[in-house]
Amino acid sequence: AQSVTQLDSQVPVFEEAPVELRCNYSSSVSVYLFWYVQYPNQGLQLLLKYLSGSTLVKGINGFEAEFNKSQTSFHLRKPSVHISDTAEYFCAVSDWNNNDMRFGAGTRLTVKP
Amino acid sequence: ETGVTQTPRHLVMGMTNKKSLKCEQHLGHNAMYWYKQSAKKPLELMFVYSLEERVENNSVPSRFSPECPNSSHLFLHLHTLQPEDSALYLCASSQVHPEAGELFFGEGSRLTVL
Repeated sequence: AQSVTQLDSQVPVFEEAPVELRCNYSSSVSVYLFWYVQYPNQGLQLLLKYLSGSTLVKGINGFEAEFNKSQTSFHLRKPSVHISDTAEYFCAVSDWNNNDMRFGAGTRLTVKP
Repeated sequence: ETGVTQTPRHLVMGMTNKKSLKCEQHLGHNAMYWYKQSAKKPLELMFVYSLEERVENNSVPSRFSPECPNSSHLFLHLHTLQPEDSALYLCASSQVHPEAGELFFGEGSRLTVL
């Protein structure tokens, strides 16, 4: 079965600074990888996904992630964050039919003025 | 309406009550999911219905009982819950055939068990 480890539970950063949220996964089969964001009192919404093809994936709100198969990582990056990016971010891994999508414990990103 | 809708958004119940959470998706998807989100813990997959058949049941206590009457509706029936069952319950849907896509989540039902 797949599993996901998000290496940082909290990441504080100042506005307009770059940020990287780290995610490592383990799986014995080909996987699909996702990053979701959760704002307060809301459900999760998709930021970006990797299914196949280019290892650099661009998502919404200026975020991007890079799939690194040799390091089994899928780190999320943004070159310049805004106050509005303050939220909880979840990395997830799934097999081909989504019957067992596994989520990490989440990283709380706090952007300070 | 569009997307995934969950009702109620908030629910407070005693340990002897019986209540239900409802989820409806308007995306034409063929799979639906229940996840439990507790503080400081990863999302826990509880149940998966694919093409209206239950395909996953991750050792969830029998006090939680899912029902999927059609591809657009999903229920979670609750009875004799424990205080540790207090959490945010998230419903999601996706397309699984011919190729899986991302999950689309509702806003969740915040459950408090007294």
